[in-house]
Amino acid sequence: QQPVQSPQAVILREGEDAVINCSSSKALYSVHWYRQKHGEAPVFLMILLKGGEQKGHEKISASFNEKKQQSSLYLTASQLSYSGTYFCGTDRNTGTASKLTFGTGTRLQVTL
Amino acid sequence: GAVVSQHPSRVICKSGTSVKIECRSLDFQATTMFWYRQFPKQSLMLMATSNEGSKATYEQGVEKDKFLINHASLTLSTLTVTSAHPEDSSFYICSARLRGGLGEQFFGPGTRLTVL
Repeated sequence: QQPVQSPQAVILREGEDAVINCSSSKALYSVHWYRQKHGEAPVFLMILLKGGEQKGHEKISASFNEKKQQSSLYLTASQLSYSGTYFCGTDRNTGTASKLTFGTGTRLQVTL
Repeated sequence: GAVVSQHPSRVICKSGTSVKIECRSLDFQATTMFWYRQFPKQSLMLMATSNEGSKATYEQGVEKDKFLINHASLTLSTLTVTSAHPEDSSFYICSARLRGGLGEQFFGPGTRLTVL
C-alpha cells in the first residue's frame, strides 16, 4: 500500500520553513527522501534507517519514527531551488529483498 | 559520483512496434536495478527489480512478456516494451542501487515514451 504524504501541496516564500510528512500502514526498515523537478528524474536527498536517527543535509533534515511508521522532512530557510515534488520511498526489507514503495508526493513551490 | 544514464531520453513509435530502453550506472557497480513508470502528476510505480545475472522480479499486475528486462552486467539493464500500444505511453525511469551502500537508489534521467 502506498505511503501517504501530507500536505499534497505547499507554497512558500523564500526563507520560510516547511515540514512534509510521510505515513505508512506497514512496519518499515528505512525511509528514503527524493526531490523531483518537472520532467526530470528524482534526486536522492537522504536515507533514514530503523532507529529513529535524525539526519541532515544542508538545510534539509529528516526524522523517522519507526513505531509510528512515519517520517518527516524538514526544510528550513527555503530557497527557490527547493521547488519540486518531494517523494518519500519506504522499504520494508533489507538486503537483496529491498525495494522502495513511493509515497503520494508533495508539490512544493518556493516564490520570491 | 553515483551517476546513472538512460537512453533514449525520448522516443515516439507506432503502435505494435517494440522499444528498447537502456539504463547504465556510469561510475559504480549496481547488482540491482529497478524500473519504474510514472504518469503525469503521479508517483513512481515500481514495475520490476532487475538483478544482474538472474531473472527480473515483476510487481503484481506487470506483464513480464510485455516488459522484457535484461540485466546483462553490473552496469547495464535494458527494458524492452514489446508490441507497444498508446496506453504504454509514459515516463519510464530506471534506478540503480549502490553496491555496498545503505540501500539508496540513484535514478536515470528517464525516457518519455509516446506510442501513436
